[in-house]
Amino acid sequence: ETGVTQTPRHLVMGMTNKKSLKCEQHLGHNAMYWYKQSAKKPLELMFVYSLEERVENNSVPSRFSPECPNSSHLFLHLHTLQPEDSALYLCASSPNAVQASGNTIYFGEGSWLTVV
Amino acid sequence: GQNIDQPTEMTATEGAIVQINCTYQTSGFNGLFWYQQHAGEAPTFLSYNVLDGLEEKGRFSSFLSRSKGYSYLLLKELQMKDSASYLCAVCGPRGDSGYALNFGKGTSLLVTP
Repeated sequence: ETGVTQTPRHLVMGMTNKKSLKCEQHLGHNAMYWYKQSAKKPLELMFVYSLEERVENNSVPSRFSPECPNSSHLFLHLHTLQPEDSALYLCASSPNAVQASGNTIYFGEGSWLTVV
Repeated sequence: GQNIDQPTEMTATEGAIVQINCTYQTSGFNGLFWYQQHAGEAPTFLSYNVLDGLEEKGRFSSFLSRSKGYSYLLLKELQMKDSASYLCAVCGPRGDSGYALNFGKGTSLLVTP
């Protein structure tokens, strides 16, 4: 139990579907993140939210749409994805996004997404 | 940008010692993290170095040399449960959104009996 919970753990969707990934953190942190982890590639930062405000969008296609209704919840809305978007999507949180550089990030267990 | 290099795979024997190296190039350095990730699970924090030297935490130690752009993770008294991917992550220069954390591709460690 890392304090960061993601649902669903596994998702299979067609290219025309609309689905959402959900993340909830129970750590009282102010910053939340979405990362993408593909095979043989480094973890890629997608979005950063600090106190519910998006502070970074790392050139992510618009078919991925994040939403942060409060500092404990983060969503990733998915629409008309491509097969190459199949990957593990990791949510993470940290005490702050813009404070000390030793700010440790805590990850959820991820949502395995397969686009068919 | 940053370049972070670590070996793709390593194999070691139960009870032995293994050293996983990480080299990096960055325009601004604000610390280096090591994470452990078991298959199908979340990455978990192992260590953080921002000053040169060795940080010891039980069976795991992490070393940093900023002048050489080099770090290693040392695992002693290896156990089967240490089989996992080990991720090196470098905290780069501060941008508008704070300090970017960039990850290497990870080193997959297999511990054999």
